[in-house]
Amino acid sequence: AQSVTQLDSQVPVFEEAPVELRCNYSSSVSVYLFWYVQYPNQGLQLLLKYLSGSTLVESINGFEAEFNKSQTSFHLRKPSVHISDTAEYFCAVSDGGSGGSNYKLTFGKGTLLTVNP
Amino acid sequence: GAVVSQHPSRVICKSGTSVKIECRSLDFQATTMFWYRQFPKQSLMLMATSNEGSKATYEQGVEKDKFLINHASLTLSTLTVTSAHPEDSSFYICSAPGLLSYNEQFFGPGTRLTVL
Repeated sequence: AQSVTQLDSQVPVFEEAPVELRCNYSSSVSVYLFWYVQYPNQGLQLLLKYLSGSTLVESINGFEAEFNKSQTSFHLRKPSVHISDTAEYFCAVSDGGSGGSNYKLTFGKGTLLTVNP
Repeated sequence: GAVVSQHPSRVICKSGTSVKIECRSLDFQATTMFWYRQFPKQSLMLMATSNEGSKATYEQGVEKDKFLINHASLTLSTLTVTSAHPEDSSFYICSAPGLLSYNEQFFGPGTRLTVL
């Protein structure tokens, strides 16, 4: 069984400040990790993913996340946030189909990032 | 590429009626689609896995007779909420795995269901 813990339900920050959204996971098999962003009344958009290779992954809009196997973490960071980054961020884990799970995703409860001027 | 659409985006219905929500993969084929439910300010909970050509697989606690899933073709899955009640009001989101990587899912924009 897999689980995802997002430690912070809400993170308020000021514009241009750095931010870190924390995500920890548990799984008995190898995992694939994702961060999704959700704007109000919209579906989810993939922000970045770790499937294999380099443990540091980056998005096109300045976010990055680092897969840390020993700490079972996949924290999301951005050095300088914009007001437009205000949204709900979900961390998710997939076991890649092993154990007959059919690639289904398990989501954390989400972190609401609010960027204030 | 890899666009998933949902229809309708919003629906309001009376208690006791049935509502059908469509999920389409617009530019790729999807033998598997996933249906999620999201309550306000909460995370997505997987309801069921829709399989083209076979029965859907429901998660524990999800009533299969209430949430009917039909994967009619390689680009269409439907979720029918039967005899809807106010507690069924929620945001329903579907997703489909990509062709290049089954580990990457593409999400529809969601359907807001309100049952009066």
